Amino acid sequence: DAGITQSPRYKITETGRQVTLMCHQTWSHSYMFWYRQDLGHGLRLIYYSAAADITDKGEVPDGYVVSRSKTENFPLTLESATRSQTSVYFCASTPGLNYGYTFGSGTRLTVV
Amino acid sequence: GDSVTQMEGPVTLSEEAFLTINCTYTATGYPSLFWYVQYPGEGLQLLLKATKADDKGSNKGFEATYRKETTSFHLEKGSVQVSDSAVYFCALSARETSGSRLTFGEGTQLTVNP
Repeated sequence: DAGITQSPRYKITETGRQVTLMCHQTWSHSYMFWYRQDLGHGLRLIYYSAAADITDKGEVPDGYVVSRSKTENFPLTLESATRSQTSVYFCASTPGLNYGYTFGSGTRLTVV
Repeated sequence: GDSVTQMEGPVTLSEEAFLTINCTYTATGYPSLFWYVQYPGEGLQLLLKATKADDKGSNKGFEATYRKETTSFHLEKGSVQVSDSAVYFCALSARETSGSRLTFGEGTQLTVNP
């Protein structure tokens, strides 16, 4: 099916563990983004990518790593999860400036 | 830097009431403006957009007009329904400063009662 999919939908992990959130889009959009959504903070940009092999930091990149070896995939890795990284994570993509984003359904991550 | 300010919520209305959610922005140059809607447990969906001054975006009965003189993009709907209950986000993208990155407002929770 065409679209943008995130996996897993829910994840519980322990402090200190590495966890990877997956994002896959089927349109070959150039731009992809990772946001976290927390009460009181709205949406905050973690990392973004303008094309395969091009990534850049957003507003809150510390503790996260991304890669984009293929246009359609943009995984987000928490290298050593902390409780402060408990959040809902959204992936999004767009072909360009005036098109707006298409968002995935989100991953709810709980770090215990 | 670029910023978006939305009216604080939550907003509670009765069905068929008129809705306004205020949005003002600060940006360099000529940004594109967007409204997104998030239903419970879901991701954000693009509701409408406007890419230049005086443009009116519209969708599903919602409207917003890009007012450069007041740096505003207020969301309106003439008669809300229970199904409009959601969180609404105003956002901008300013090519000169952010490429295709969006800057979001904090979101406004809308609850519509029957």
